[in-house]
Amino acid sequence: DGGITQSPKYLFRKEGQNVTLSCEQNLNHDAMYWYRQDPGQGLRLIYYSQIVNDFQKGDIAEGYSVSREKKESFPLTVTSAQKNPTAFYLCASSRASSIEAFFGQGTRLTVV
Amino acid sequence: GQQLNQSPQSMFIQEGEDVSMNCTSSSIFNTWLWYKQEPGEGPVLLIALYKAGELTSNGRLTAQFGITRKDSFLNISASIPSDVGIYFCAGQSYTSGTYKYIFGTGTRLKVLA
Repeated sequence: DGGITQSPKYLFRKEGQNVTLSCEQNLNHDAMYWYRQDPGQGLRLIYYSQIVNDFQKGDIAEGYSVSREKKESFPLTVTSAQKNPTAFYLCASSRASSIEAFFGQGTRLTVV
Repeated sequence: GQQLNQSPQSMFIQEGEDVSMNCTSSSIFNTWLWYKQEPGEGPVLLIALYKAGELTSNGRLTAQFGITRKDSFLNISASIPSDVGIYFCAGQSYTSGTYKYIFGTGTRLKVLA
């Protein structure tokens, strides 16, 4: 089945450590996105990528980094510079010329 | 960053009632999307709207793309318990060769049986 897979579903991190969230899609989509969701709030764009080896900052990129070495993969690293990293992280993808974005099931990151 | 204004923020309704929610923006969008998110899951696309004035249905759901291109509405008829969740609107912008999706703050729906 085609889809977007995020792993792990739950992640715990000690304060001061970097952590990488995985996002893989087999939909042959060109564009991929990372969003952050806090309780009772909407989705805020962290980073997005339209093609391999290229990505742009979204609205809240500080403290995060990404890479896009393969079309299928768009990992997000939450660095120790992110002041408030505890949140629900969502990855999405779309065809470059398409309207609809499809989401993964999310990763809930908790800093302990 | 920009977010769309969605209202109401939350609503409790009785099973069988109709539901209406809306989304407004200060910017014009070429496309409006409506998503539903269940607890602990990613949003799932419900309806996509492609041109101003368009009215589209998906089962008990009906959505409209506002004439001004700055708003959209979602109606759910004859609500059932499984309609519970958070409903998000999203506008798509296209600038400098890239697509971006701006999301609303969400409407949390609870259905009382």
